[in-house]
Amino acid sequence: ETGVTQSPTHLIKTRGQQVTLRCSSQSGHNTVSWYQQALGQGPQFIFQYYREEENGRGNFPPRFSGLQFPNYSSELNVNALELDDSALYLCASSLGQGAYNEQFFGPGTRLTVL
Amino acid sequence: KQEVTQIPAALSVPEGENLVLNCSFTDSAIYNLQWFRQDPGKGLTSLLLIQSSQREQTSGRLNASLDKSSGRSTLYIAASQPGDSATYLCAVPNQAGTALIFGKGTTLSVSS
Repeated sequence: ETGVTQSPTHLIKTRGQQVTLRCSSQSGHNTVSWYQQALGQGPQFIFQYYREEENGRGNFPPRFSGLQFPNYSSELNVNALELDDSALYLCASSLGQGAYNEQFFGPGTRLTVL
Repeated sequence: KQEVTQIPAALSVPEGENLVLNCSFTDSAIYNLQWFRQDPGKGLTSLLLIQSSQREQTSGRLNASLDKSSGRSTLYIAASQPGDSATYLCAVPNQAGTALIFGKGTTLSVSS
């Protein structure tokens, strides 16, 4: 069974640029959630995708957008990067929509915005 | 609005000690509670998922308890080892069931 994978591991961008982060869900899982974790804080929910549809969104601006593909992998896109976007971005997969099922997280992508 | 708090923020213990990590939540109407481990700069590893109908859940040296009425959960680690050094986070689903609400975590350091 393959776990959740994320790419890239690290990324450095400058303010105003755009970035795309990728996540492959665990085998058999159809739900992907994205979280942002600032240093010393708990993860904050960005949004969730279930069967290619957005199924809930946290308090993040529209410049944070996403996609889920037929194989249930997912992308997180962030436009017009700001310094405060520097964080660890975590992807979680689960079986079934919502957050009631056990969530399995990937290793994260560390984004640094200069 | 659900809020999750973890106290203390940091804990240092000698190897071999038994210890308890605390997690509290403001809305007792939770579906379940999940405990995670996070190594520095890494992702989250799921340790235990305890359903609202359960009182305890065990995995190896770890035991999680849940008291919904008091809005509290504890993670008990027996015979701690240096390899247990990490940040431990607890999380509960939000009211809509769409997202996990996390505490800020407790950073544990076990010295040999």
